[in-house]
Amino acid sequence: KAGVTQTPRYLIKTRGQQVTLSCSPISGHRSVSWYQQTPGQGLQFLFEYFSETQRNKGNFPGRFSGRQFSNSRSEMNVSTLELGDSALYLCASSLPGTYNEQFFGPGTRLTVL
Amino acid sequence: DAKTTQPNSMESNEEEPVHLPCNHSTISGTDYIHWYRQLPSQGPEYVIHGLTSNVNNRMASLAIAEDRKSSTLILHRATLRDAAVYYCILRVGGSNYKLTFGKGTLLTVNP
Repeated sequence: KAGVTQTPRYLIKTRGQQVTLSCSPISGHRSVSWYQQTPGQGLQFLFEYFSETQRNKGNFPGRFSGRQFSNSRSEMNVSTLELGDSALYLCASSLPGTYNEQFFGPGTRLTVL
Repeated sequence: DAKTTQPNSMESNEEEPVHLPCNHSTISGTDYIHWYRQLPSQGPEYVIHGLTSNVNNRMASLAIAEDRKSSTLILHRATLRDAAVYYCILRVGGSNYKLTFGKGTLLTVNP
């Protein structure tokens, strides 16, 4: 069974631009969560989608948004990029139901110059 | 969010058991204790989770204190491939999929 895939793996943008990251969950997984990882703040929860609906949201500004498609694939968008948005963005998927383990992808490394 | 406290780093020798502690004194009755680990240059990987009873799986064992205010992840025989950052996380009860990661414990395994 294929794991969680994220594209692109690496991205370089400049301040003020916007970026879209993509996540394809494991087949059959309908919940997709996004996390931001930085050396200073560690791993922080961004949001979670289930059946195309945002079910949970972390403490990030409105510049960070996401969506989920009917095939469970998910995208996250960051508008008006700031230097501090440089981070590893991780996507995780899980089966329906509570307390199931999350399967993480390898992440997208975003660098904002 | 419920908080966990872990040592910043620990060291072990290959083939020896490793006990990784975690304090979670503010845990509530429906919070699950999850452990994940992150190997270098990879996304986090699920290790184990439990609620009240001790749990075993092919990767590790989880020992939960009777008052649930602390837990210990046990790797029975550490290998070099177990060198990673280990995160102890409280997952809030209900359908909340949010995982609140702390700083974790960096485990170094010496050959």
